[in-house]
Amino acid sequence: QLQLQESGPGLVKPSETLSLTCTVSGGSISSSSYYWGWIRQPPGKGLEWIGSIYYSGSTYYNPSLKSRVTISVDTSKNQFSLKLSSVTAADTAVYYCARHRNPGTSDYWGQGTLVTVSS
Amino acid sequence: DIQMTQSPSSLSASVGDRVTITCQASQDISNYLNWYQQKPGKAPKLLIYDASNLETGVPSRFSGSGSGTDFTFTISSLQPEDIATYYCQQYDNLSFLTFGGGTKVEIK
Repeated sequence: QLQLQESGPGLVKPSETLSLTCTVSGGSISSSSYYWGWIRQPPGKGLEWIGSIYYSGSTYYNPSLKSRVTISVDTSKNQFSLKLSSVTAADTAVYYCARHRNPGTSDYWGQGTLVTVSS
Repeated sequence: DIQMTQSPSSLSASVGDRVTITCQASQDISNYLNWYQQKPGKAPKLLIYDASNLETGVPSRFSGSGSGTDFTFTISSLQPEDIATYYCQQYDNLSFLTFGGGTKVEIK
């Protein structure tokens, strides 16, 4: 059974860079059939797609976040990562990693991790 | 970018009722539309993909229809365990995935 697990700091200071890693188990991140993505959800609000990556390294970002986002993949560790720079309180959210098939359908999700931006 | 307008934002219905949620895209997205269920404190769960296909293991009381710009999600007989927030999501192209605003479903 495929599992995804987010990890990283739960508290980030304003203007700093948020860094999260998603570890995939029970399947290979190098499969040509899937993309891997990040989605976030501010407390009490809806879902926002951040960006996605293919195992080859091709990336796709939400235009509203593109200037601050970097998603990368480490196939040797079966992980992919998110970096979001110059964070503000508006970036406080639960961050989910997910597997996409076909390619925009998220069929497996991590449990999510709350990241709070505060000094 | 494609905007997704989902309605209603919340609804209250009785157990056994038929529940319908709509989602409208700002431009033609063919059938590139998914529906997710999110329970409090949990990750979203895929219910319907490609507008009308039931994900494996999902009860048949859930269904979806539509194409182009107008889509409908239906729960044929609302059950207590269906209390959740439901989201539509378009994937017309991977360069920009967008979600609807969500519909919170409660029991009357």
